[in-house]
Amino acid sequence: AQKVTQAQTEISVVEKEDVTLDCVYETRDTTYYLFWYKQPPSGELVFLIRRNSFDEQNEISGRYSWNFQKSTSSFNFTITASQVVDSAVYFCALSEVVAGGTSYGKLTFGQGTILTVHP
Amino acid sequence: GAVVSQHPSRVICKSGTSVKIECRSLDFQATTMFWYRQFPKQSLMLMATSNEGSKATYEQGVEKDKFLINHASLTLSTLTVTSAHPEDSSFYICSALDWTDSYNEQFFGPGTRLTVL
Repeated sequence: AQKVTQAQTEISVVEKEDVTLDCVYETRDTTYYLFWYKQPPSGELVFLIRRNSFDEQNEISGRYSWNFQKSTSSFNFTITASQVVDSAVYFCALSEVVAGGTSYGKLTFGQGTILTVHP
Repeated sequence: GAVVSQHPSRVICKSGTSVKIECRSLDFQATTMFWYRQFPKQSLMLMATSNEGSKATYEQGVEKDKFLINHASLTLSTLTVTSAHPEDSSFYICSALDWTDSYNEQFFGPGTRLTVL
């Protein structure tokens, strides 16, 4: 069975601080996908990143960066110089792989981390 | 990216009534859609996988007779909450898979907030 753990229930920071959201996962699959989503108060999920289990390169996108470490089954997310607009719930998710490894299916979500950025 | 819509966005109903929620892929065909449920301040939990032209696959603990799923076309899946009760009040989110070449992307709808009085 797949499992995603986000140990940090809530994080509060002051604007311009860096913040890292932790994500640890469990799976028996050798191939899988990992995701991060942002859920603002409106409720709509905003896709942030997808990472294939074979690709352990870290990724940076603007103020966002992701650290994928297969050895520790972690996929952490860092926001640099946080802003008030970053306030939201952030979900890490894990997906099974189907169709010979080229597609993914249903997602298992972590519990979510509520990030509050104060001005 | 592809767009998935949900209707209605918000619904309030009396206990005992049935509520239908629609999930549409607007600019692509989706043979597979997923239905998730999110209780306040909790995570998203998969309820069922909806496949066009076949019966939905429900996750353990989800009552298939209470949550009826119909995926009658490649662009529409519906979730009907039958005889809704206050404990069914939740945020329901659908997603649809869009195949691009040999790879698929999953796109989420904006969600439907159900309140049962």
